[in-house]
Amino acid sequence: GESVGLHLPTLSVQEGDNSIINCAYSNSASDYFIWYKQESGKGPQFIIDIRSNMDKRQGQRVTVLLNKTVKHLSLQIAATQPGDSAVYFCAEKVESGAGSYQLTFGKGTKLSVIP
Amino acid sequence: KAGVTQTPRYLIKTRGQQVTLSCSPISGHRSVSWYQQTPGQGLQFLFEYFSETQRNKGNFPGRFSGRQFSNSRSEMNVSTLELGDSALYLCASSGGFLGNTEAFFGQGTRLTVV
Repeated sequence: GESVGLHLPTLSVQEGDNSIINCAYSNSASDYFIWYKQESGKGPQFIIDIRSNMDKRQGQRVTVLLNKTVKHLSLQIAATQPGDSAVYFCAEKVESGAGSYQLTFGKGTKLSVIP
Repeated sequence: KAGVTQTPRYLIKTRGQQVTLSCSPISGHRSVSWYQQTPGQGLQFLFEYFSETQRNKGNFPGRFSGRQFSNSRSEMNVSTLELGDSALYLCASSGGFLGNTEAFFGQGTRLTVV
C-alpha cells in the first residue's frame, strides 16, 4: 500500500552542525508534504510544508527539499541547537474526496543534539 | 489565538470500559481530525470531521467513534477498551477549506488501559 517512511530512526549531531533528516514516500500522486517536530509529552508541531510544484522551500533555519523523481523528501536544520532535539516526522497529504484529506506519517526520526 | 485543546491530558481505564476524549479546535477552524500514536504503529489516522459530518475514516474498528458539535468541538469515544488501545490520542484542527491544509495538533490525551 502507499506509505511514507524514514531512512534513519536516530540521528545524533553536534550543536552548531547542520542536520539532515530524510524521508521516502511512495505515492507519486501526493501533492503536499509537511514536516512536524514532536517534543516529549507534546503533540506534533508544524515546521514547514512544501507542495509538489516546488523543489525547495526555506523557513527560519530549516529547508525542505523535494525530489519527485526519486520520491524523496528531506529536512535540513541549520546550526542545530539543543532545543531542536525531538522526533521529526514527515507527513504526506492523502486526498479522500469532498475536500477531506488525511495525513500519512512516517515512523519518525529522533534527533539528539550533543552540546 | 488559543491552540488546540485536548482534555483530559491523562486517563487510566480498565479493559472493557469505554472512554470519551474531547478536543476544542482553534477558533474558526471547522475541520477536526483524530490520530492514534503508538510506539509500534506510529501516527495513524482515525477520522476527520467537518461541519458536524464525518468526512473520512481510517482503518480502525467500529469501537472507535466520534462526533463534532456545532461549535466545531469534537469528541471521540472508544468502547470496550482493549489493552492495545493504550496510546496517545491526538487531535488536529485546520480551516478545512480546500487548499487550506495546515493542521495544528493539540498536546494529546495519554490513554492507558489496564
